[in-house]
Amino acid sequence: NAGVTQTPKFQVLKTGQSMTLQCAQDMNHNSMYWYRQDPGMGLRLIYYSASEGTTDKGEVPNGYNVSRLNKREFSLRLESAAPSQTSVYFCASITFPNTEAFFGQGTRLTVV
Amino acid sequence: GIQVEQSPPDLILQEGANSTLRCNFSDSVNNLQWFHQNPWGQLINLFYIPSGTKQNGRLSATTVATERYSLLYISSSQTTDSGVYFCAVERGGGADGLTFGKGTHLIIQP
Repeated sequence: NAGVTQTPKFQVLKTGQSMTLQCAQDMNHNSMYWYRQDPGMGLRLIYYSASEGTTDKGEVPNGYNVSRLNKREFSLRLESAAPSQTSVYFCASITFPNTEAFFGQGTRLTVV
Repeated sequence: GIQVEQSPPDLILQEGANSTLRCNFSDSVNNLQWFHQNPWGQLINLFYIPSGTKQNGRLSATTVATERYSLLYISSSQTTDSGVYFCAVERGGGADGLTFGKGTHLIIQP
């Protein structure tokens, strides 16, 4: 039982390049989330998917797109990376109500 | 949106000491979790505790939902307890995701 798996773990991009962060969960959770963590701050929500086929913006969605490919997978895409998107990205999954959220191990992204 | 405030922001203790971390939130919640982020960046679930009290070894947590706060207690601290402790809350239904506080950075010195 792997829980929540993110790929890649590390990535360096040049400004303007694009990339997709992958996330998969094997806990049959309905809801999935993408967060970013910047130094000295807690995690901030980028996008979420309450169920398969639906996605919604979170607190900091600008510069990102998402796809809920199926119940297991939720990807985050940077179309044209900017240095301000240098951060650690976390994927999470949960089924409401009354359960706990589980997080992937994170992706450390640097945009130069 | 809901506001989450954690205190203290930083805490330095000697091995063996006890500590209490606090989380205040601005609205009623259906979900409250405590996480430990270790030095490698991994987020580890400590407690799912929207109300009541739970204990797991040297760690325990209490949430008083009516007064909108939660406390995390760490007893007999060990150096492996070092890291950042986050409180995260959710109002209900999954529409907002978890809202995180800025964390308490705990350093346990040998």
